[in-house]
Amino acid sequence: AQSVTQPDIHITVSEGASLELRCNYSYGATPYLFWYVQSPGQGLQLLLKYFSGDTLVQGIKGFEAEFKRSQSSFNLRKPSVHWSDAAEYFCAVGAPEYGNKLVFGAGTILRVKS
Amino acid sequence: DAMVIQNPRYQVTQFGKPVTLSCSQTLNHNVMYWYQQKSSQAPKLLFHYYDKDFNNEADTPDNFQSRRPNTSFCFLDIRSPGLGDAAMYLCATGVLRDGETQYFGPGTRLLVL
Repeated sequence: AQSVTQPDIHITVSEGASLELRCNYSYGATPYLFWYVQSPGQGLQLLLKYFSGDTLVQGIKGFEAEFKRSQSSFNLRKPSVHWSDAAEYFCAVGAPEYGNKLVFGAGTILRVKS
Repeated sequence: DAMVIQNPRYQVTQFGKPVTLSCSQTLNHNVMYWYQQKSSQAPKLLFHYYDKDFNNEADTPDNFQSRRPNTSFCFLDIRSPGLGDAAMYLCATGVLRDGETQYFGPGTRLLVL
């Protein structure tokens, strides 16, 4: 079965600084990869996803992620963080033989300091 | 706007008292999912419906049941809530195509007293 690891439980960055959130997955082939963001007390909003094709994926709110097969990674990046980006970020993986079911990582809580 | 709606947003119930959470969607998606998310944890899939076909996860307790009377609505029933069932319950919808996105509702926060 597929699995996802987000090594960083908490990350703090200064407003305007760059951000990278790490995500590693375990799966035998190329999975479908997603990044979701969750604000406190809210549901999950899709930031971006990788299905196939270009390994650098652009998402909403200025986020991007790069799929690296050799490293089994799908790290999320943003060049300049805004205070409104403070939230919890979840990486998720889906696999064809498991239908559309997603397995989520444990999440990374982002704190933005001014 | 097409969306996933969950009611209520907050639900307080008593230990052992049955409770029902509601999810509706205007996306006309054929798949509906229920996730349980405990504090500071990842969402965990409980079960999903593909049209009227119910698919339970192997480790979902029998205490949790679900109904889908039509395409738009899906309910989560907790027959005898325990203190450990206090969590955020997230409903999501999708279509059964490779790599398709799941769209999440805002969640229902359940408190068990």
